[in-house]
Amino acid sequence: DTGVSQNPRHKITKRGQNVTFRCDPISEHNRLYWYRQTLGQGPEFLTYFQNEAQLEKSRLLSDRFSAERPKGSFSTLEIQRTEQGDSAMYLCASSWTEGTDTQYFGPGTRLTVL
Amino acid sequence: AQSVTQPDIHITVSEGASLELRCNYSYGATPYLFWYVQSPGQGLQLLLKYFSGDTLVQGIKGFEAEFKRSQSSFNLRKPSVHWSDAAEYFCAVINGGTSYGKLTFGQGTILTVHP
Repeated sequence: DTGVSQNPRHKITKRGQNVTFRCDPISEHNRLYWYRQTLGQGPEFLTYFQNEAQLEKSRLLSDRFSAERPKGSFSTLEIQRTEQGDSAMYLCASSWTEGTDTQYFGPGTRLTVL
Repeated sequence: AQSVTQPDIHITVSEGASLELRCNYSYGATPYLFWYVQSPGQGLQLLLKYFSGDTLVQGIKGFEAEFKRSQSSFNLRKPSVHWSDAAEYFCAVINGGTSYGKLTFGQGTILTVHP
């Protein structure tokens, strides 16, 4: 088991461009979470999935943001028409519903919007 | 809405000294509480968690935390700090009174360790 992986690790884009991030959870985990972390702040919840179903979305997730987990395994987070305010670290976490729901985090994708 | 407060943004200790990082939460029901550590450029690593039972919980790397319901606190402690403990520490609580769901994080405490 290699843990949660995220790609790319770094992304630099120009304002107005679309970007997509990928998260591969721990293989047996059925829950997958996305968080956003800006400098000097703790992570903030964006959305989470249980298997393929997206169960909750934060108000932080504007219409420009969309997340999918089509086969209940990996997930993608897309940001359309990026803005400078989208610059942040995007963290993915996964967990298993049996027992306590301990979330294990990936290394994150650092997005810089120029 | 529930919240997590870490009153100390930055703490500096000498190597070998004891450490206590403070965390207060605002939530009505029994919370599920966590401490995570984040090294520069890295993701979050779970140090310990409290769900129920003994209010003093042991974690990895020699850390422990004590849940005090009367003070709405979950402070993290270590008796002797090592230089490798320098990192940012986050306290977090699970929302909704369930054992699963989104984490609400404090803003973090940066720990600097002097030799």
